[in-house]
Amino acid sequence: GAVVSQHPSRVICKSGTSVKIECRSLDFQATTMFWYRQFPKQSLMLMATSNEGSKATYEQGVEKDKFLINHASLTLSTLTVTSAHPEDSSFYICSAFVGGETDTQYFGPGTRLTVL
Amino acid sequence: AQSVTQPDIHITVSEGASLELRCNYSYGATPYLFWYVQSPGQGLQLLLKYFSGDTLVQGIKGFEAEFKRSQSSFNLRKPSVHWSDAAEYFCAVASYSSASKIIFGSGTRLSIRP
Repeated sequence: GAVVSQHPSRVICKSGTSVKIECRSLDFQATTMFWYRQFPKQSLMLMATSNEGSKATYEQGVEKDKFLINHASLTLSTLTVTSAHPEDSSFYICSAFVGGETDTQYFGPGTRLTVL
Repeated sequence: AQSVTQPDIHITVSEGASLELRCNYSYGATPYLFWYVQSPGQGLQLLLKYFSGDTLVQGIKGFEAEFKRSQSSFNLRKPSVHWSDAAEYFCAVASYSSASKIIFGSGTRLSIRP
Protein backbone atom coordinates (compact mmCIF):
# COMPACT_ATOMS: atom_id res chain seq x y z
CA GLY A 1 0.00 0.00 0.00
CA ALA A 2 0.86 3.65 -0.23
CA VAL A 3 3.35 4.83 2.38
CA VAL A 4 3.64 8.28 3.87
CA SER A 5 6.58 9.22 6.04
CA GLN A 6 7.13 12.12 8.38
CA HIS A 7 10.36 13.54 9.65
CA PRO A 8 11.22 14.02 12.41
CA SER A 9 9.10 11.67 14.48
CA ARG A 10 9.83 13.67 17.60
CA VAL A 11 11.22 17.13 18.13
CA ILE A 12 11.86 19.22 21.20
CA CYS A 13 12.59 22.89 20.79
CA LYS A 14 12.87 26.05 22.80
CA SER A 15 10.14 28.63 22.85
CA GLY A 16 10.58 31.18 20.07
CA THR A 17 12.33 28.90 17.63
CA SER A 18 10.93 27.51 14.38
CA VAL A 19 10.47 23.87 13.57
CA LYS A 20 10.04 22.26 10.16
CA ILE A 21 8.20 18.97 9.70
CA GLU A 22 8.42 17.05 6.45
CA CYS A 23 5.76 14.84 4.96
CA ARG A 24 6.69 12.57 2.07
CA SER A 25 4.73 10.18 -0.07
CA LEU A 26 7.25 7.43 -0.68
CA ASP A 27 5.82 5.41 -3.52
CA PHE A 28 3.23 7.63 -5.11
CA GLN A 29 2.59 11.21 -6.11
CA ALA A 30 0.08 13.31 -4.23
CA THR A 31 -1.37 16.49 -5.63
CA THR A 32 -3.11 17.11 -2.32
CA MET A 33 -1.75 16.72 1.18
CA PHE A 34 -3.41 17.52 4.46
CA TRP A 35 -2.06 18.60 7.83
CA TYR A 36 -3.80 17.66 11.05
CA ARG A 37 -3.20 18.36 14.68
CA GLN A 38 -4.08 15.94 17.45
CA PHE A 39 -4.16 16.83 21.12
CA PRO A 40 -3.73 14.10 23.75
CA LYS A 41 -6.71 11.77 23.90
CA GLN A 42 -8.53 13.84 21.32
CA SER A 43 -9.39 13.57 17.68
CA LEU A 44 -7.58 14.88 14.64
CA MET A 45 -8.37 18.42 13.64
CA LEU A 46 -7.67 19.50 10.08
CA MET A 47 -5.33 22.48 9.97
CA ALA A 48 -4.87 23.00 6.25
CA THR A 49 -5.11 21.52 2.81
CA SER A 50 -2.00 21.71 0.69
CA ASN A 51 -2.07 21.52 -3.09
CA GLU A 52 1.13 21.12 -5.07
CA GLY A 53 2.26 24.38 -6.57
CA SER A 54 -0.34 26.58 -4.91
CA LYS A 55 -1.00 28.21 -1.59
CA ALA A 56 -2.40 26.11 1.19
CA THR A 57 -5.99 26.51 2.33
CA TYR A 58 -6.21 26.96 6.08
CA GLU A 59 -9.10 26.01 8.31
CA GLN A 60 -10.84 28.65 10.34
CA GLY A 61 -8.87 29.56 13.42
CA VAL A 62 -5.53 28.32 12.12
CA GLU A 63 -2.92 31.08 11.83
CA LYS A 64 -1.36 30.82 8.40
CA ASP A 65 1.58 33.01 9.37
CA LYS A 66 2.37 30.74 12.26
CA PHE A 67 1.93 27.43 10.48
CA LEU A 68 3.66 27.80 7.14
CA ILE A 69 2.91 25.10 4.62
CA ASN A 70 4.86 24.46 1.45
CA HIS A 71 3.99 21.81 -1.11
CA ALA A 72 6.78 22.25 -3.61
CA SER A 73 6.65 18.82 -5.21
CA LEU A 74 4.23 15.97 -5.72
CA THR A 75 5.93 13.94 -2.99
CA LEU A 76 6.82 16.51 -0.36
CA SER A 77 4.91 18.93 1.84
CA THR A 78 6.43 20.77 4.77
CA LEU A 79 4.87 22.37 7.83
CA THR A 80 6.91 25.00 9.62
CA VAL A 81 5.80 26.07 13.05
CA THR A 82 7.23 29.57 13.42
CA SER A 83 8.10 31.14 16.74
CA ALA A 84 6.87 28.09 18.57
CA HIS A 85 5.33 28.38 22.01
CA PRO A 86 4.43 25.72 24.58
CA GLU A 87 0.79 25.79 23.46
CA ASP A 88 1.94 24.62 20.04
CA SER A 89 3.08 21.35 21.58
CA SER A 90 1.04 18.66 19.93
CA PHE A 91 1.03 15.69 17.61
CA TYR A 92 1.10 16.77 13.96
CA ILE A 93 -0.07 14.33 11.32
CA CYS A 94 -0.01 14.66 7.57
CA SER A 95 -1.86 12.72 4.93
CA ALA A 96 -1.56 12.37 1.19
CA PHE A 97 -4.49 11.94 -1.13
CA VAL A 98 -4.62 9.35 -3.89
CA GLY A 99 -7.49 9.89 -6.29
CA GLY A 100 -9.15 7.81 -8.95
CA GLU A 101 -10.56 4.48 -7.91
CA THR A 102 -8.43 4.48 -4.75
CA ASP A 103 -9.84 7.78 -3.46
CA THR A 104 -8.10 7.51 -0.10
CA GLN A 105 -6.03 9.64 2.25
CA TYR A 106 -2.93 7.85 3.47
CA PHE A 107 -1.63 9.06 6.80
CA GLY A 108 1.87 9.54 8.06
CA PRO A 109 2.96 8.26 11.49
CA GLY A 110 2.92 11.73 13.00
CA THR A 111 5.41 14.10 14.59
CA ARG A 112 5.42 14.81 18.32
CA LEU A 113 6.37 18.44 18.92
CA THR A 114 7.29 19.58 22.39
CA VAL A 115 8.04 23.24 22.95
CA LEU A 116 9.83 24.06 26.18
CA ALA B 1 -22.38 21.28 9.54
CA GLN B 2 -20.92 17.82 9.45
CA SER B 3 -20.18 16.09 12.73
CA VAL B 4 -19.32 12.65 13.98
CA THR B 5 -20.13 11.24 17.40
CA GLN B 6 -18.48 8.23 18.96
CA PRO B 7 -20.32 7.79 22.25
CA ASP B 8 -17.92 5.29 23.75
CA ILE B 9 -14.61 6.70 24.91
CA HIS B 10 -13.16 3.38 26.04
CA ILE B 11 -14.30 -0.18 25.54
CA THR B 12 -12.79 -3.37 26.92
CA VAL B 13 -13.65 -6.74 25.46
CA SER B 14 -12.28 -10.21 26.00
CA GLU B 15 -10.10 -11.76 23.35
CA GLY B 16 -12.29 -13.84 21.07
CA ALA B 17 -15.42 -11.89 21.89
CA SER B 18 -17.40 -9.90 19.36
CA LEU B 19 -17.01 -6.15 19.05
CA GLU B 20 -19.22 -3.28 18.01
CA LEU B 21 -18.02 0.32 18.03
CA ARG B 22 -20.70 2.93 17.63
CA CYS B 23 -20.63 5.91 15.31
CA ASN B 24 -23.32 8.45 14.52
CA TYR B 25 -22.95 11.22 12.00
CA SER B 26 -24.71 14.41 11.11
CA TYR B 27 -24.75 15.43 7.48
CA GLY B 28 -27.39 16.76 5.13
CA ALA B 29 -26.69 14.54 2.16
CA THR B 30 -25.30 11.05 1.78
CA PRO B 31 -21.91 11.22 3.38
CA TYR B 32 -18.68 9.45 2.70
CA LEU B 33 -17.93 7.43 5.84
CA PHE B 34 -14.71 5.94 7.08
CA TRP B 35 -13.27 3.95 9.95
CA TYR B 36 -9.60 4.38 10.77
CA VAL B 37 -7.43 2.66 13.37
CA GLN B 38 -4.50 4.34 15.11
CA SER B 39 -1.85 2.31 16.88
CA PRO B 40 0.99 3.85 18.89
CA GLY B 41 3.86 4.84 16.65
CA GLN B 42 1.91 4.13 13.50
CA GLY B 43 -0.10 6.29 11.19
CA LEU B 44 -3.83 6.06 10.87
CA GLN B 45 -4.79 3.08 8.81
CA LEU B 46 -8.00 2.92 6.82
CA LEU B 47 -10.09 -0.06 7.85
CA LEU B 48 -12.97 0.52 5.48
CA LYS B 49 -15.03 3.18 3.77
CA TYR B 50 -18.52 3.65 2.44
CA PHE B 51 -19.32 5.82 -0.52
CA SER B 52 -22.37 4.17 -2.03
CA GLY B 53 -23.86 0.80 -2.90
CA ASP B 54 -24.10 -2.10 -0.50
CA THR B 55 -24.62 -0.73 2.99
CA LEU B 56 -22.63 -3.53 4.58
CA VAL B 57 -18.98 -2.81 3.96
CA GLN B 58 -16.17 -5.28 4.42
CA GLY B 59 -12.79 -4.00 5.47
CA ILE B 60 -9.36 -5.23 6.35
CA LYS B 61 -8.45 -7.30 9.39
CA GLY B 62 -11.89 -8.90 9.53
CA PHE B 63 -13.79 -5.68 10.26
CA GLU B 64 -17.09 -4.70 8.75
CA ALA B 65 -19.42 -1.74 9.11
CA GLU B 66 -23.04 -1.14 8.26
CA PHE B 67 -24.43 2.15 7.02
CA LYS B 68 -27.92 2.79 8.36
CA ARG B 69 -29.33 5.98 6.92
CA SER B 70 -32.45 5.90 9.09
CA GLN B 71 -30.29 5.88 12.23
CA SER B 72 -27.47 8.05 10.87
CA SER B 73 -25.11 5.36 12.03
CA PHE B 74 -22.05 3.57 10.73
CA ASN B 75 -21.12 1.07 13.41
CA LEU B 76 -17.97 -1.02 13.18
CA ARG B 77 -18.09 -4.71 13.98
CA LYS B 78 -15.79 -7.67 14.29
CA PRO B 79 -17.00 -11.17 15.21
CA SER B 80 -13.91 -12.17 17.18
CA VAL B 81 -11.28 -9.73 18.41
CA HIS B 82 -7.59 -10.44 18.74
CA TRP B 83 -5.17 -8.90 21.22
CA SER B 84 -3.57 -7.05 18.31
CA ASP B 85 -6.82 -5.15 17.74
CA ALA B 86 -6.15 -3.03 20.82
CA ALA B 87 -5.87 0.52 19.46
CA GLU B 88 -7.74 3.79 18.98
CA TYR B 89 -10.53 3.72 16.44
CA PHE B 90 -11.84 6.77 14.65
CA CYS B 91 -15.01 7.13 12.67
CA ALA B 92 -14.94 9.91 10.10
CA VAL B 93 -17.11 11.63 7.52
CA ALA B 94 -16.38 13.58 4.35
CA SER B 95 -18.62 15.46 2.01
CA TYR B 96 -17.73 14.04 -1.38
CA SER B 97 -14.53 12.04 -1.37
CA SER B 98 -11.29 11.51 0.43
CA ALA B 99 -10.04 14.61 -1.35
CA SER B 100 -12.37 16.71 0.72
CA LYS B 101 -12.14 17.67 4.35
CA ILE B 102 -12.50 14.67 6.63
CA ILE B 103 -14.18 15.25 9.98
CA PHE B 104 -13.08 12.79 12.64
CA GLY B 105 -14.97 11.58 15.66
CA SER B 106 -13.39 11.77 19.08
CA GLY B 107 -12.25 8.16 18.93
CA THR B 108 -12.88 4.99 20.90
CA ARG B 109 -10.02 3.30 22.68
CA LEU B 110 -10.28 -0.47 22.52
CA SER B 111 -8.62 -2.62 25.15
CA ILE B 112 -8.49 -6.39 24.94
CA ARG B 113 -8.84 -8.53 28.05
CA PRO B 114 -6.74 -11.70 27.88
